[in-house]
Amino acid sequence: KNEVEQSPQNLTAQEGEFITINCSYSVGISALHWLQQHPGGGIVSLFMLSSGKKKHGRLIATINIQEKHSSLHITASHPRDSAVYICAVRSKIQGAQKLVFGQGTRLTINP
Amino acid sequence: GAVVSQHPSWVICKSGTSVKIECRSLDFQATTMFWYRQFPKQSLMLMATSNEGSKATYEQGVEKDKFLINHASLTLSTLTVTSAHPEDSSFYICSPTSGASYEQYFGPGTRLTVT
Repeated sequence: KNEVEQSPQNLTAQEGEFITINCSYSVGISALHWLQQHPGGGIVSLFMLSSGKKKHGRLIATINIQEKHSSLHITASHPRDSAVYICAVRSKIQGAQKLVFGQGTRLTINP
Repeated sequence: GAVVSQHPSWVICKSGTSVKIECRSLDFQATTMFWYRQFPKQSLMLMATSNEGSKATYEQGVEKDKFLINHASLTLSTLTVTSAHPEDSSFYICSPTSGASYEQYFGPGTRLTVT
């Protein structure tokens, strides 16, 4: 079993729909990242969370440390949101710097 | 967010040649650099971690003599793929961090094709 599991692996929706991508992890973490990778390959860091909730435009990320679970929500989805969304966690082990990645969720928003 | 550049963005080379990929952090000091490789439809695979001025630490299964990493300054790290083979064809991404925070930045990637 992977240390970081994302669901769903693939998601297709219509423009305007509310999107939720889930991430569960099994290790103690110091931070969780949500990343976006567009078809060209470039990766953008959307959020870094260690507790609670963050919002940026139409994107919302939440984390529940006790349940070891995070969600990424997209409101009023748009075709330009089509990308692979990756959850990555940084271990709580002292000095740990490496990220452990989920397998990614491929999101397609149809017009 | 921080600005990270990679050069070249894509390269085609012949088997047996070497290719150098540069990663620059343009507006912050990268004390630690991660180099990743990504095959199509797969997640990022960490190849090595380097701290400025130190030798890189390679992940299991990654040949250090084949993938040479230099992190001589806080703004520049290079990855050299030596004696490239077609199976080295992949998308290579650098990811610098300042160490002072947990923020993670990513270069735009270099697509390497070895013929």
